[in-house]
Amino acid sequence: QVRLQQWGAGLLKPSETLSLTCAVYGWSFSGYKWSWIRQTPGKGLEWIGEINHSGTTNYNPSLKSRITISLDTSKNQFSLKLSSATAADTAMYYCASGEYNWNDVWFDPWGQGTLVTVS
Amino acid sequence: QSVLTQPPSVSGAPGQGVTISCTGSDSNIGAGYDVHWYQHLPGTAPKLLIYGNNNRPSGVPDRFSGSKSGDSASLAITGLQAEDEADYYCQSYDRRLSQVFGGGTKLTVL
Repeated sequence: QVRLQQWGAGLLKPSETLSLTCAVYGWSFSGYKWSWIRQTPGKGLEWIGEINHSGTTNYNPSLKSRITISLDTSKNQFSLKLSSATAADTAMYYCASGEYNWNDVWFDPWGQGTLVTVS
Repeated sequence: QSVLTQPPSVSGAPGQGVTISCTGSDSNIGAGYDVHWYQHLPGTAPKLLIYGNNNRPSGVPDRFSGSKSGDSASLAITGLQAEDEADYYCQSYDRRLSQVFGGGTKLTVL
């Protein structure tokens, strides 16, 4: 049974870099796309980006210039960095395991979420 | 404005059924990409309800079912229970934007 546990700084000042890490328990990285998803206050879910077991990334075009998703296979962890944060980046951030069939990806399970406030 | 359009809210009495729609376009659902559905309870992580248009993960009651036709998909919930009150999101792949979600639908059990 795959389990995800995430952590990172919950309060940032504008222009700082958001940094979150997600640990994967009960599975290796192969065969899945490891993703970050956020929910801004009062709004829906927004996919941020993904990384696969070989380190290939795919990012949301609207965030691409500010995002880096990386993998540490030795620790079974993957991470998100979002630079030049603004108040618009205030959100609940989730890591998620993506099972896939070509471009069709579905997310299960999800991490517990980390509330990040930029103020 | 979400790429996938869902009604903001639906409601139903206990025991009744509701349907939540998810409308896309020819760059996502209409292009043949699958639709997946999630249930999101306040203070918890979203939970996968339906994947691949109409498949239920282990543990999801058969009161939940999904369908897809053309550039739209639907989530049907029968025999409403109080614990079904939550936000529901559809998700698919878009040729230009990669993974996209609907704006979410709040289900109220009356």
